[in-house]
Parts: sequence; structure tokens; C-alpha cells
Amino acid sequence: QVTLRESGPALVKPTQTLTLTCTFSGFSLSTSDMCVSWIRQPPGKALEWLARIDWDDDKYYTTSLQTRLTISKDTSKNQVVLTMTNMDPVDTATYYCARTRISAAATDYWGQGTLVTVSS
Amino acid sequence: DIQMTQSPSSLSASVGDRVTITCRASQSISNYLNWYQQKPGKAPKLLIYAASSLQSGVPSRFSGSGSGTDFTLTISSLQPEDFATYYCQQSYTAPQVTFGQGTRLEIK
Repeated sequence: QVTLRESGPALVKPTQTLTLTCTFSGFSLSTSDMCVSWIRQPPGKALEWLARIDWDDDKYYTTSLQTRLTISKDTSKNQVVLTMTNMDPVDTATYYCARTRISAAATDYWGQGTLVTVSS
Repeated sequence: DIQMTQSPSSLSASVGDRVTITCRASQSISNYLNWYQQKPGKAPKLLIYAASSLQSGVPSRFSGSGSGTDFTLTISSLQPEDFATYYCQQSYTAPQVTFGQGTRLEIK
């Protein structure tokens, strides 16, 4: 059974750095074809893909935010970490981590999401 | 970037109705098109991948079709649990993927 769970602060101040952790089970990020993606959704708005890390440690970022994002993995702990620097109120959103399979080119399992509010 | 445009933005329908949602890509994406269902306060759920492949466990009343730039998601007979928001997603330029703006399906 594949599960993912996001953890991190619910509230951050403007200019601070956000660190989110995705803890997963039911698959290994050392297995070919497996990736973990981060996607966010501002309240009442659409989904936005942010970053992906692959089984072979390749990393990808959305162009508009690539200077602010860092993704990493700890395969032994089954965790993926996303950091986003210089947080702004427009970054207020629910942040999801999810499993992506390269062969299916689709994201098939999602975490429940964590709401991050950026406010002073 | 490839833009994904869904229509309609919202839709009212009744239980038992046949419903079709359309997604258009700003350029050809072959069949690299996925559909997700999202209920309020919940994570999205994968319904259809590669334009027409039904994800395991998804009821057969859901179907997808299309290729190139025009795609459709069809629900053959709406059930009460189908009222939700639906998103298309292009994965032609994966890992850089983009989502449509969503279609909210409401009870008439």
C-alpha cells in the first residue's frame, strides 16, 4: 500500500525559508521509474507543479521558481525534502507530495497535503 | 509553456446524466494527458492516464479520449460521489507538467 504524508510548519513569515518533508511508504525511491513530485494549490485555485526528484537523483524544478527551490531525498529514510526560500504571502497554499511514475507519465498517489500560510 | 484550457469551468448536472468535460492544449501533446478528480479538502485522485487508460480501481463509467490538442473526459452515468472538481494535466513536457484550471461539477 502506497502512502505519502507531508509535514512542516503551518505558518511561516515573509522572507523565511520553508522546509517540507514528505515521508512515504509502499515503494522505494531507489527503484527505477519512481519519482516524487511536489505540487501546490493556493486556496480556491488550480494545481501547480513545483519540483520532482527521480530514483536516480535527477532533480527538476518549475522554471518560474527554480531559483528558490531545492529538492533532495534520503532513500534510507523514505523521505523527500523540499525547501523554498524567501517566502511571500502569494506562496500561501496547500502543498502536496506525490508519487510519479516515469513510464506512466502520471502522478498516481498523493499525500493529504499540508496548508502553509505566509503571514507576518 | 504548454497551456491547458478546460471547458466548461463549471457544470451543473443530475445523478444519472452523461457528462463530458473538454481539455484543450495550446500545442500538440500526443496522448500525454491525464485526468484527476479532487473533492473538497482532499488530494487529487488519478482517474485516467495517457488520455484513455483507466487507472486501477476507477469505475468504468469514467472514460477518456482524444489526442493531439483536444481531449475529453466522459462520465457515462453520474453518481452522487462524482460531484467534484476535475483537472486535466499534460505530461508531454514532463517533468515540467501543467494543469488545466479545473472544472467544477455540481449537483443540479
